[in-house]
Formats: sequence, C-alpha cells, structure tokens
Amino acid sequence: TQLLEQSPQFLSIQEGENLTVYCNSSSVFSSLQWYRQEPGEGPVLLVTVVTGGEVKKLKRLTFQFGDARKDSSLHITAAQPGDTGLYLCAANAGGTSYGKLTFGQGTILTVHP
Amino acid sequence: GAGVSQSPSNKVTEKGKDVELRCDPISGHTALYWYRQSLGQGLEFLIYFQGNSAPDKSGLPSDRFSAERTGGSVSTLTIQRTQQEDSAVYLCASSSVGLPYFGPGTRLLVL
Repeated sequence: TQLLEQSPQFLSIQEGENLTVYCNSSSVFSSLQWYRQEPGEGPVLLVTVVTGGEVKKLKRLTFQFGDARKDSSLHITAAQPGDTGLYLCAANAGGTSYGKLTFGQGTILTVHP
Repeated sequence: GAGVSQSPSNKVTEKGKDVELRCDPISGHTALYWYRQSLGQGLEFLIYFQGNSAPDKSGLPSDRFSAERTGGSVSTLTIQRTQQEDSAVYLCASSSVGLPYFGPGTRLLVL
C-alpha cells in the first residue's frame, strides 16, 4: 500500500499570510494530484504534477513535485478567506485506472478575515 | 447540470438495516468509482467499474458492501446490516479518460 503522509493536519491563519502544505511518501509516483474540497461537496482537482522537480502555479497557489517524485508541496501566497477548505494530495494506487487513487489524510485550512 | 449526482444527500438509518446509495455519473463516462470518506480513515477507494469489465472490488471493507452498475450508467452501493462504523460520506466519481470528477456525496449516519 502506498501511503501519503500529509502535514499539517490543521492550519488556522489570518488573511494575507503565506502557508505551505506537505505531502510525503516513501514510494515513487508517476504523478501526484492536489484536490480542494469544500463542505458538502466532493473534491475538485486543482493540479496534477508529473515531472520530478516540476513547479506549477495556479494564481496564488504554487505546487512542487520533488526531484525523486516521492513528495510534493502546496504553497499559498497571501491567503484569503475563500481559500478555506480541505486540501488533499492523491496519487494513483496502482493498476490501470487513473481514478483509483490513494489520498493523504488532508489539511483543513481556515483563513480568518 | 452535467456533474455527477448522488442520492440521497443524507441518510440516517438504524444499526442492522440495509441501505442503498445511488450514483448518476456524467453522461458518456465509462469509468465509475466509489470512495468512502470518514474522520478516522480519510478518503478510501472502495470499488471501480470500467465498461463491461469485471469491477475492481479490492477496496470493499467487508462482504456487507456490494455495488452494481446497470446499463453502464447508474450505480448503486448497498450496505447490508449497517454498523455504526459505516457512518461516513460515500462519494461517487466518474471519468472517461484520465482523472475522475467527484459527486457531492451521501452522508450516512448509522445510529
């Protein structure tokens, strides 16, 4: 079983602060995804990282994939209350299906105005 | 709407009763997944259907859990003799090629 260790579990910050969420594993992944989930909804895909060392930016969100493709991070610059939610990293759990995913435990982010 | 829909959105049942949860995937999507999200275990894969192939049931936690997909579209997840530890959000997802789109989930509470 490929385990994804996500940290921190909880983050409570003020609007305008920066933050980083980490996703680590002892396994090598061909790709890794980050999702955001709001209460009462399913996870929504934010980004997929594929290449070791890759950096992707989505507005104020920066995603990095480790050189060895075992870890990833999500950095949010100048957080806003609208960023509040559950952030999940995920990777393919094996087999031929892209959608059979292993998820990290998640990071609950609260951004206070 | 063109998204994945699930029903009911909330279900309260008594321990020992059977429940059925329904998923309507995005039209044309050949792959359908069920996941369970609970406080203690996070988001866990349960079962996967792809076209007419035999489903991948490797994530089902016990033989009380079963799922079927009729006509390659709608799917039903059945939990027999529910236990309190079955309380969770059950998420359905579908895809054509690539990563799946998730529905809003069914919140199941077993009393």
